Amino acid sequence: DAKTTQPPSMDCAEGRAANLPCNHSTISGNEYVYWYRQIHSQGPQYIIHGLKNNETNEMASLIITEDRKSSTLILPHATLRDTAVYYCIAMIYNQGGKLIFGQGTELSVKP
Amino acid sequence: EPEVTQTPSHQVTQMGQEVILRCVPISNHLYFYWYRQILGQKVEFLVSFYNNEISEKSEIFDDQFSVERPDGSNFTLKIRSTKLEDSAMYFCASITGIGSYEQYFGPGTRLTVT
Repeated sequence: DAKTTQPPSMDCAEGRAANLPCNHSTISGNEYVYWYRQIHSQGPQYIIHGLKNNETNEMASLIITEDRKSSTLILPHATLRDTAVYYCIAMIYNQGGKLIFGQGTELSVKP
Repeated sequence: EPEVTQTPSHQVTQMGQEVILRCVPISNHLYFYWYRQILGQKVEFLVSFYNNEISEKSEIFDDQFSVERPDGSNFTLKIRSTKLEDSAMYFCASITGIGSYEQYFGPGTRLTVT
């Protein structure tokens, strides 16, 4: 699985968009980009995933660059409850495959 | 919405004692996992389980650890002789395994070894 690099921490004002970057320059063609988050020692929570195209769901949007070497998770209107550690994981979709977590980005949403 | 549950939420045990951590995965899920997170560190994979056998395990998952799905609903992690360094949050997760990309995690069990 490709290594990912994320900034250790970011701040965001409540109500503004939070843009969390992730570099995965060695990603291979069949590796997906997954995003999970962990709110204060709770179990990690799936947010979104993508392969090539941009994706959107009720929680967030995922923008993947055309060369697939980086991506950005966008929380369009961050709330205080979005304060969490966000993990970007690149992995082949392998039925039943494990998740390999890095250190992630600690996002603080401030009032 | 269905969820993964774990019991107990906090377990305190003495070094050398056996502990069993329990998880009830989502009912139609086929793959089950244990992860752990030592305080202040990243989440680490321990083991995955499918079709009543271990499908993958990490270097952490040594002979002191075992997993079992005793009755078709519970999924347990046993640590035979706990060490101080086993103190951590232990998370259970499950996935349908059929075209699903989302692992569902339980709330975790905090294990404290004294």
